[in-house]
Amino acid sequence: GQNIDQPTEMTATEGAIVQINCTYQTSGFNGLFWYQQHAGEAPTFLSYNVLDGLEEKGRFSSFLSRSKGYSYLLLKELQMKDSASYLCAVTDSNYQLIWGAGTKLIIKP
Amino acid sequence: DAMVIQNPRYQVTQFGKPVTLSCSQTLNHNVMYWYQQKSSQAPKLLFHYYDKDFNNEADTPDNFQSRRPNTSFCFLDIRSPGLGDAAMYLCATSRDFGQQYEQYFGPGTRLTVT
Repeated sequence: GQNIDQPTEMTATEGAIVQINCTYQTSGFNGLFWYQQHAGEAPTFLSYNVLDGLEEKGRFSSFLSRSKGYSYLLLKELQMKDSASYLCAVTDSNYQLIWGAGTKLIIKP
Repeated sequence: DAMVIQNPRYQVTQFGKPVTLSCSQTLNHNVMYWYQQKSSQAPKLLFHYYDKDFNNEADTPDNFQSRRPNTSFCFLDIRSPGLGDAAMYLCATSRDFGQQYEQYFGPGTRLTVT
């Protein structure tokens, strides 16, 4: 079966750095997305990785290792507004998007 | 601003009473998706359309139907809602169907079944 694993919940302090991990087992791989979802709202796109390595976009960076079936989302200089769920999603060989259940990130002052 | 719009934002229906949720997009995207998302769970894909080609997920119950009368609009019909169908329903679009095309989501419709 296809599976995406992420921690259920993480807590971090305002101003700090947090790394949210995602491991996947899918039938084929055609890219990995990270989305942010605030409570009661729709997911919004954060990043896309298809090649190994680090993609940096402002305070957010996303890393991919295809050989390990692993990605992480790195959030720097955390702000209270970063409190949200972060969903990892992988495009499989049929271009279907397989979603993780998300990691709820709680930011404390 | 180009966007994905869902109406209504909140819908209450009675057990067994048909309900229709609507989605429209001004992005002119080829692909439209309907997802069901329950609390603290991953979005579950119900259907997607590539233009007018309809694709039903294998495990989507027959109780759920969809229509896409034109490029801009897509509807989700729940013929006989059960208590287990209470969820957030998300409509999304993507420019095309392929590896690098991100999905753009509407704000969702939260369905309550009484």
